[in-house]
Amino acid sequence: DQQVKQNSPSLSVQEGRISILNCDYTNSMFDYFLWYKKYPAEGPTFLISISSIKDKNEDGRFTVFLNKSAKHLSLHIVPSQPGDSAVYFCAAIIQGAQKLVFGQGTRLTINP
Amino acid sequence: DAGVIQSPRHEVTEMGQEVTLRCKPISGHNSLFWYRQTMMRGLELLIYFNNNVPIDDSGMPEDRFSAKMPNASFSTLKIQPSEPRDSAVYFCASSLTGLAGVEQFFGPGTRLTVL
Repeated sequence: DQQVKQNSPSLSVQEGRISILNCDYTNSMFDYFLWYKKYPAEGPTFLISISSIKDKNEDGRFTVFLNKSAKHLSLHIVPSQPGDSAVYFCAAIIQGAQKLVFGQGTRLTINP
Repeated sequence: DAGVIQSPRHEVTEMGQEVTLRCKPISGHNSLFWYRQTMMRGLELLIYFNNNVPIDDSGMPEDRFSAKMPNASFSTLKIQPSEPRDSAVYFCASSLTGLAGVEQFFGPGTRLTVL
């Protein structure tokens, strides 16, 4: 049973426009959410996170939005840059536990 | 400080052979995680250790897989015997328990191909 789902395997966006990556979860016990970014031949690297007590967290060009009632979160990247082309993983955790549950990833391609 | 170190980076072996993947976590981190990435299932947690003790191995696919952490600076994931369906990228990650954000730091991965 996939507790964290990223339903779009890929996304293509023009440079300078907004990229929106989506993630849905089923376990209402999750109370902390993270986004990781992965380049080819490298491990995932932490990008941004949000606690369930917030509905928005911003870090530069990256903003994560959380809608708890819909069990949905999204990552906005604006403006998108070619270096943002990567696979993005959404992950969720119950704070106090240590098991991160990852989605399957979305491959983002930024076109010049 | 060096990040998580994994070796080998690539491994090609034949079905039935034993495979050992190695990981050195970030110094001072007390939790270590082994993940497997496949196209079908994405990133799956196989097992994790806390203070060198295995806490949850429910993600280990079957008895052919085993993991050890003999000390705070070294862990191995062994597959014996290996099968073609084990072909995947295996990641090791470490974290500092209690650190706000529960961020895990990943190594570069080992790409395993079983022929």
